[in-house]
Amino acid sequence: KNQVEQSPQSLIILEGKNCTLQCNYTVSPFSNLRWYKQDTGRGPVSLTIMTFSENTKSNGRYTATLDADTKQSSLHITASQLSDSASYICVVSDRGSTLGRLYFGRGTQLTVWP
Amino acid sequence: EADIYQTPRYLVIGTGKKITLECSQTMGHDKMYWYQQDPGMELHLIHYSYGVNSTEKGDLSSESTVSRIRTEHFPLTLESARPSHTSQYLCASSDLDTVGGYEQYFGPGTRLTVT
Repeated sequence: KNQVEQSPQSLIILEGKNCTLQCNYTVSPFSNLRWYKQDTGRGPVSLTIMTFSENTKSNGRYTATLDADTKQSSLHITASQLSDSASYICVVSDRGSTLGRLYFGRGTQLTVWP
Repeated sequence: EADIYQTPRYLVIGTGKKITLECSQTMGHDKMYWYQQDPGMELHLIHYSYGVNSTEKGDLSSESTVSRIRTEHFPLTLESARPSHTSQYLCASSDLDTVGGYEQYFGPGTRLTVT
């Protein structure tokens, strides 16, 4: 069964600190992995996307890593800001799907305190 | 920024009412999707469309129906709303992205509450 598991479920950090969010998946055959940011009451917005041949991708203060052998990914946020408070969702796409169907994790709810 | 719109953003309605959630995109994308998301839970695909006059049910069973008469418009209808339909509904559209997959762009969502 294709699944995406994220940890921790929730995280509270102080402004300016770094943090790392984890994602494990069993989706096969693997096509790509994306990290989305979802603000409360809004739709998800893509942060990064990686294929199996990429092991790191950055977008400003966000850096995603991928280990396709162990089927693990992480999202590292540097120098957190209050606006980083959101749910971060790991999403995996399988190679066999022409639909572009995505498998979603439940997200990590990040809260940044001043 | 993606040009995909949903209305209404919030809706509170009584049991038994018929409702239509609107979704429109101006990007010319052929593929469109409806997801249902409960608080703290993952998104579940309930409907999708490959293009005009094409609609399919998703992974999660839903009593809602959809139509795709125009490329840019993908409305979702509930004939008789029930409290179990209370949820957030997210619309998305996609194109072929640079890595050979499909980048999905999401609308802001409709928060539906059925009393």
